[in-house]
Amino acid sequence: AQSVTQLDSQVPVFEEAPVELRCNYSSSVSVYLFWYVQYPNQGLQLLLKYLSGSTLVKGINGFEAEFNKSQTSFHLRKPSVHISDTAEYFCAVSRAGGFKTIFGAGTRLFVKA
Amino acid sequence: DAGVIQSPRHEVTEMGQEVTLRCKPISGHDYLFWYRQTMMRGLELLIYFNNNVPIDDSGMPEDRFSAKMPNASFSTLKIQPSEPRDSAVYFCASSYRGDYTDTQYFGPGTRLTVL
Repeated sequence: AQSVTQLDSQVPVFEEAPVELRCNYSSSVSVYLFWYVQYPNQGLQLLLKYLSGSTLVKGINGFEAEFNKSQTSFHLRKPSVHISDTAEYFCAVSRAGGFKTIFGAGTRLFVKA
Repeated sequence: DAGVIQSPRHEVTEMGQEVTLRCKPISGHDYLFWYRQTMMRGLELLIYFNNNVPIDDSGMPEDRFSAKMPNASFSTLKIQPSEPRDSAVYFCASSYRGDYTDTQYFGPGTRLTVL
């Protein structure tokens, strides 16, 4: 079975500062890894995904994540955040091609002016 | 293209009443998922379907909850009778096996309040 742990429940950061949201996973088989974003009163939408190949994955809105197999991590980063990035971010894992996806508890990113 | 459509967006009901939530997945998608989101428990998978057939309902909390998918373009989640602890946001999501990515597309959710 797969599991995912988001290490921070809330991350406050000033506008234009860099941010990293941390995610660790566990699995005994090959996995797909995802980051989803949820803006207030909306559903989740895909930010980026890792399926295979290059360990650095670029997503929408300037976000990127790096897959680290040895550390079983998939941390999300952005070099300079905007007020509009304020949202909840979910790390997720699925058994490759298995379709059932396990979501982390979420990290609330709060960008301050 | 239209995304996943859920109705109603908000539902307020009284304890003991029947509640039916509706979902229309993206056309062509063959997987459909129902989730529940609360502050205390986060995002929980309730049940998912493949080609209209329920595959895993282990997340359904109890017999008061039931879900159906009579055809590829419609699914319902029913709670009967409803209880205050069922208050949550319920999301429907769909996915397409043919893109081999497991990406899920979420609807806007239904916010359920049981008084």
